[in-house]
Amino acid sequence: DGGITQSPKYLFRKEGQNVTLSCEQNLNHDAMYWYRQDPGQGLRLIYYSQIVNDFQKGDIAEGYSVSREKKESFPLTVTSAQKNPTAFYLCASSILTVLNQPQHFGDGTRLSIL
Amino acid sequence: KQEVTQIPAALSVPEGENLVLNCSFTDSAIYNLQWFRQDPGKGLTSLLLIQSSQREQTSGRLNASLDKSSGRSTLYIAASQPGDSATYLCAVKDTGNQFYFGTGTSLTVIP
Repeated sequence: DGGITQSPKYLFRKEGQNVTLSCEQNLNHDAMYWYRQDPGQGLRLIYYSQIVNDFQKGDIAEGYSVSREKKESFPLTVTSAQKNPTAFYLCASSILTVLNQPQHFGDGTRLSIL
Repeated sequence: KQEVTQIPAALSVPEGENLVLNCSFTDSAIYNLQWFRQDPGKGLTSLLLIQSSQREQTSGRLNASLDKSSGRSTLYIAASQPGDSATYLCAVKDTGNQFYFGTGTSLTVIP
């Protein structure tokens, strides 16, 4: 079945450590997105990419980095510069060539500080 | 910048009741509006997508309406069941291919 796979499901970060969250899709979607979800808040966009080797910052990109070397993959690195990384991270994808197509989501990664 | 608001933040109803969830947005220049369901600790599952040219969409017991000019959408759930308990989020897609989400309505259906 086609879908979006996020791994790991749970991740723990030590002080000063960079960690990378994986997101893979086999839907052949052009665009991929990373969101952060905190309790009581809506999803906030971290980064998005509409094409391989290109990506744009969202509203809260500081302390995060991404790459898009392959259409299927959009990993997110949470760097030590992100001082409050504890949150639920969601990856999504969508088709761009057809306007009214839904956005699809993975099952998320929960990141906590040790 | 687009802002999306959902009211109420939480709702508790007895099983079998019909209910309405509300979503409002500030900029009417949208491509579509999508309703999602989120179970605790899970990702978002798409329920309905309404194109900007449409007024409503239906799927089973769910009906979503869109009034783009007034910046409002409603999600109507008929004959609610305990399995409908979840958080419901709406999101609008703007002309720049970005999505803006509301904070969600947490629904509890009491058996």
